[in-house]
Amino acid sequence: AQKITQTQPGMFVQEKEAVTLDCTYDTSDPSYGLFWYKQPSSGEMIFLIYQGSYDQQNATEGRYSLNFQKARKSANLVISASQLGDSAMYFCAMREGWENSGYALNFGKGTSLLVTP
Amino acid sequence: DGGITQSPKYLFRKEGQNVTLSCEQNLNHDAMYWYRQDPGQGLRLIYYSQIVNDFQKGDIAEGYSVSREKKESFPLTVTSAQKNPTAFYLCASSNLAVQTQYFGPGTRLLVL
Repeated sequence: AQKITQTQPGMFVQEKEAVTLDCTYDTSDPSYGLFWYKQPSSGEMIFLIYQGSYDQQNATEGRYSLNFQKARKSANLVISASQLGDSAMYFCAMREGWENSGYALNFGKGTSLLVTP
Repeated sequence: DGGITQSPKYLFRKEGQNVTLSCEQNLNHDAMYWYRQDPGQGLRLIYYSQIVNDFQKGDIAEGYSVSREKKESFPLTVTSAQKNPTAFYLCASSNLAVQTQYFGPGTRLLVL
């Protein structure tokens, strides 16, 4: 069963606008972590933001924030004030407990974001 | 600068040939991981290692082998048993206490 679901294959946003990328997850592990990565066309995976399952507040990192709704099992990424350089693939990923592949990440299929002038 | 290096950037494999992808990190991370990415897909786990001389199979380990003789190095061998090796291969590492994984720039493997 898919553990991470990203339902938006592609998204458009105008420069300087905010955009929300959706991510839902499935786990029965009480301790888990949620990550967002950016993958530009060069292929490198760039870490953006992390949310732990026990964290009380939503994570923020500069223009990135994570809208964590634990009961709904969603971890949406919000990018504020989009820039042309934000155009890339965005991946949501989850880390479960140690017994689940030693903290390896389960990835969604990604959302392609295009920022237009 | 601290980071993760992967080489080569592009690799071509002939039928029946084994090839080895290099991954080196100088972040003093304990754990290292290999992922495979196919076009339009997310990453899938091939192998991971938490300490030197120990490694575990991931979801798609068939046709691959690894070694972890040094903390800094985690090479991946794509064997002739891997029938569909064309993909983008990413290596990652993490500090077990923090758990955020940082990735290398990747190797693109193509079959001739």
